[in-house]
Amino acid sequence: QQQVKQSPQSLIVQKGGISIINCAYENTAFDYFPWYQQFPGKGPALLIAIRPDVSEKKEGRFTISFNKSAKQFSLHIMDSQPGDSATYFCAASGGEKDSNYQLIWGAGTKLIIKP
Amino acid sequence: GAVVSQHPSWVICKSGTSVKIECRSLDFQATTMFWYRQFPKQSLMLMATSNEGSKATYEQGVEKDKFLINHASLTLSTLTVTSAHPEDSSFYICSARGGGVPYNEQFFGPGTRLTVL
Repeated sequence: QQQVKQSPQSLIVQKGGISIINCAYENTAFDYFPWYQQFPGKGPALLIAIRPDVSEKKEGRFTISFNKSAKQFSLHIMDSQPGDSATYFCAASGGEKDSNYQLIWGAGTKLIIKP
Repeated sequence: GAVVSQHPSWVICKSGTSVKIECRSLDFQATTMFWYRQFPKQSLMLMATSNEGSKATYEQGVEKDKFLINHASLTLSTLTVTSAHPEDSSFYICSARGGGVPYNEQFFGPGTRLTVL
């Protein structure tokens, strides 16, 4: 019940296209859903996050869509650029007493943007 | 934004030696720090959670006597890998959350690459 399932495992998108990465969760008590971007040899960096009281959040070219009834959320990268090539992780937290707000991680998606 | 630093960024050591990795929150007080381990092409694996002034809580399967964690202040946590062996070679990443930042946001350090020969 604590799992977060992420797909696809890898994704190749042409420059200028839309990259879409999906995640699904089971624990309905989760209340925080961040996306992290990680470049090789670096720590993850928070990209954008959403809470379940909204269905969409947009920051620049990055949008999270959240479907509470389906227990799914997705990251959309508009006008994808070669510099967006990285590994993206979805995560979720909340719902457990004294959990210290631990993040439950998806498996990651390696995104390659072809010039 | 909230900044977390790690030192060293990489370390090479001989088998049997101990290595200490520092994690610092530079512009906020980190009431909770997390230590992760990441193998190539894999997701982050939580090793332990530490609250300032308390003993760390280790995840199942993580040897607390091998991976010593100290969170002595609101800005510093250390991970000591004792008697390191080649199988301990990995990418170690810390994160922090706490006062002054949204309650469940975690900010990550740049990671430490440990290679044990």
